[in-house]
Amino acid sequence: QSVLTQPPSMSAAPGQKVTISCSGSSSNIGKNYVSWYQQLPGTAPKLLIYENNKRPSGIPDRFSGSKSGTSATLGITGLQTGDEANYYCGTWDNSLSVEVFGAGTKVTVL
Amino acid sequence: QLQLQESGPGLVKPSETLSLTCSVSGVSLSNTDYYWAWIRQPPGKGLEWVGSVYFNGNAYYNPSLNSRVTISIDKSKNYFTLRLTSVAAADTAVYYCARGSSRFDSWGQGTLVTVPS
Repeated sequence: QSVLTQPPSMSAAPGQKVTISCSGSSSNIGKNYVSWYQQLPGTAPKLLIYENNKRPSGIPDRFSGSKSGTSATLGITGLQTGDEANYYCGTWDNSLSVEVFGAGTKVTVL
Repeated sequence: QLQLQESGPGLVKPSETLSLTCSVSGVSLSNTDYYWAWIRQPPGKGLEWVGSVYFNGNAYYNPSLNSRVTISIDKSKNYFTLRLTSVAAADTAVYYCARGSSRFDSWGQGTLVTVPS
């Protein structure tokens, strides 16, 4: 059971928007930056969002991140078939002294 | 351009020691802005942080792995290594090396290590 809770799956039609939640606690999300990673089938995870809401160079602005209290959210607008992937949130947990990840959310483009 | 490349045996027998190397190019491991991590992913499952090592050799590990894990760094050869002892089938996973700061911004392609049951 993951310390960070994500919905197992989400789906939407091309062009639509999905919002993926990541729920934690005061010892992790509540006190630390959140990152989001995209893992396309058969590939390594790729950084999408860091420090809650920043995008690395090359990541389109269709991807956005936010954090409020002990929860974080990844938004994907203008959904494309190429966005079908697993998405993971991650942060440091001060109580456990470990880097923690959510169990992942599989996004399907209908 | 930063590149990370994992290498090591793809099959390890139960109770033996898993050893992997992450060769880094494009940045020096002496850079104090970053640390270097191992993250694993069992087949069909999520990501699990194994541990991290800093430029000065200080390392931090996932307590769930107890005393079985050691991560070391060789700045002269620009690689870092993972050693996991007494492996079991539950250690079967794709092992990734990654660069860390406030996030893991660069990852290797991963290497599958299988421990037969």
